Amino acid sequence: DAGVIQSPRHEVTEMGQEVTLRCKPISGHNSLFWYRQTMMRGLELLIYFNNNVPIDDSGMPEDRFSAKMPNASFSTLKIQPSEPRDSAVYFCASTSSPGVPYEQYFGPGTRLTVT
Amino acid sequence: LAKTTQPISMDSYEGQEVNITCSHNNIATNDYITWYQQFPSQGPRFIIQGYKTKVTNEVASLFIPADRKSSTLSLPRVSLSDTAVYYCLVGNNNDMRFGAGTRLTVKP
Repeated sequence: DAGVIQSPRHEVTEMGQEVTLRCKPISGHNSLFWYRQTMMRGLELLIYFNNNVPIDDSGMPEDRFSAKMPNASFSTLKIQPSEPRDSAVYFCASTSSPGVPYEQYFGPGTRLTVT
Repeated sequence: LAKTTQPISMDSYEGQEVNITCSHNNIATNDYITWYQQFPSQGPRFIIQGYKTKVTNEVASLFIPADRKSSTLSLPRVSLSDTAVYYCLVGNNNDMRFGAGTRLTVKP
């Protein structure tokens, strides 16, 4: 298995631009998570999906952030408009069951820089 | 969600056993304890999970006392490649929150 796939691996954009991060979970996994990591705030859970349905988006910073999971094999995290404080590494993770906390498999991350 | 407390950093030397303790005084009856490892520029990686007593796998051991208010991750005979941040998480579903973790530095 290729593991969790994220694209792009690096993104540099200017303030005000729209940014879309993509994630392909491991085949067969039915839970998907988006995290953000910065030096100041550590690793934060933004949102997670079970069976393509958003379960908890309380970690999404504000309305500029939105996430979708149109099918079991694809999810996007969109920031519109982007701001310099959104600069961070964004991780996607997936796991096979929403019940007892199963092992989460993380992708390599997308390093976002907003100038 | 139960809050966890772990040391910010630890130093060790190659070949030593390292024990990282995590406090979780407000752990709920149905909460599990999970540890992750994160290397620089990589996503976290699952190490071990337990509910009570002791769990051992090929990478580490996890010791959980009867009151479950703390847990200890034990890494036997660490090497330089074990230098990483170690996170302790407590929860009963996948809505687990990462704390600051413990930055372990293994020296030659």
